[in-house]
Amino acid sequence: DSGVTQTPKHLITATGQRVTLRCSPRSGDLSVYWYQQSLDQGLQFLIQYYNGEERAKGNILERFSAQQFPDLHSELNLSSLELGDSALYFCASSAPGLAGEEQFFGPGTRLTVL
Amino acid sequence: AQSVAQPEDQVNVAEGNPLTVKCTYSVSGNPYLFWYVQYPNRGLQFLLKYITGDNLVKGSYGFEAEFNKSQTSFHLKKPSALVSDSALYFCAVRPDYSSASKIIFGSGTRLSIRP
Repeated sequence: DSGVTQTPKHLITATGQRVTLRCSPRSGDLSVYWYQQSLDQGLQFLIQYYNGEERAKGNILERFSAQQFPDLHSELNLSSLELGDSALYFCASSAPGLAGEEQFFGPGTRLTVL
Repeated sequence: AQSVAQPEDQVNVAEGNPLTVKCTYSVSGNPYLFWYVQYPNRGLQFLLKYITGDNLVKGSYGFEAEFNKSQTSFHLKKPSALVSDSALYFCAVRPDYSSASKIIFGSGTRLSIRP
């Protein structure tokens, strides 16, 4: 168990809908990262938050947004969903402020868009 | 632009034999390099990392990796493979200049150990 929790575990929805994925980092970790893993794209970095502020941005679509709250949990919002958004979404956390710190991954949320 | 290449989609090894999973990288500045493993239906788990110092890094489950700056490589190795090592392995790189630098993961290598 990495100490990172993600809910829900599975999500099935329809095209055009909006969903929210939730992540709680390990105790003491200030950085939260979001990744998308699909069969044809591998693991794609989406966005990083550090202590409530956006820190780095990867290949995140404009239809997607994220935030980190004062209690350090994070939410990833996906809107106007398309079939191609079906994927595993992982959250990870790491110790404060250092680029060399390893990340601890949650179990993921499997999103299926029908 | 920074990038990571894992040239082999799949590596097949017999149990007890040594294994190597290859990773090469391109990054401006000094790299922080990581290996992660993913078992079926699980999140990624950290195996080992190179930050600075000794080029040979030892990690979890008997794995090690060698940083080679001239060849820009960070290959993952294990002297004697176990069937339980069968999983998906990811190499990742991050420039060291900032904790806001982007992390890039390789495409993954599926390791299959046959009994």
